[in-house]
Amino acid sequence: EAQVTQNPRYLITVTGKKLTVTCSQNMNHEYMSWYRQDPGLGLRQIYYSMNVEVTDKGDVPEGYKVSRKEKRNFPLILESPSPNQTSLYFCASSSEGEGTSGLHFGPGTRLTVT
Amino acid sequence: DAKTTQPNSMESNEEEPVHLPCNHSTISGTDYIHWYRQLPSQGPEYVIHGLTSNVNNRMASLAIAEDRKSSTLILHRATLRDAAVYYCIHRPNSGGSNYKLTFGKGTLLTVNP
Repeated sequence: EAQVTQNPRYLITVTGKKLTVTCSQNMNHEYMSWYRQDPGLGLRQIYYSMNVEVTDKGDVPEGYKVSRKEKRNFPLILESPSPNQTSLYFCASSSEGEGTSGLHFGPGTRLTVT
Repeated sequence: DAKTTQPNSMESNEEEPVHLPCNHSTISGTDYIHWYRQLPSQGPEYVIHGLTSNVNNRMASLAIAEDRKSSTLILHRATLRDAAVYYCIHRPNSGGSNYKLTFGKGTLLTVNP
């Protein structure tokens, strides 16, 4: 089954404790991206990657890092999480030339930073 | 940034057609128009996209204005399972910005039985 998977689905952590949210897709997609969703603010893009070793900032990249060492994986790293990073996070992927194809979203990761 | 404008909420009755509008006045000639929806407690899912011509698929129809500054997502017969937040975005298709997406707050569609 074609899918985007995220782990963990739920995470409660404390301020300053480094964490990684993994994202993996099995569709051989070139493009992958991370979004956060907060009440009243809609979906906001954090980072995106056009292919292996090619990443760029979205609209809200502060406090986050990403890497794309393999085509199928695009982990989101929070080096020193803060409470304002409490949010619902979605990973998405699509084939290249994205204007002509839709994004496939993962199920989401709900992160709480205390 | 590529911005779209949608009503915050709309309401429909089951079995009736729904027309969800979107304004994208800053769209450029090569941008695609995409629609996604997000059911409660789920990730967004792709619905439909188009460039200039109207488009149909098994989920919905997309009507694009001649000047491309607005579009309408049409659900021909709304069901309770169509209750969701619907997002309209346009895909800048030039260089590095091709992969940057800006989602707005979307339209919350309520379907009454």
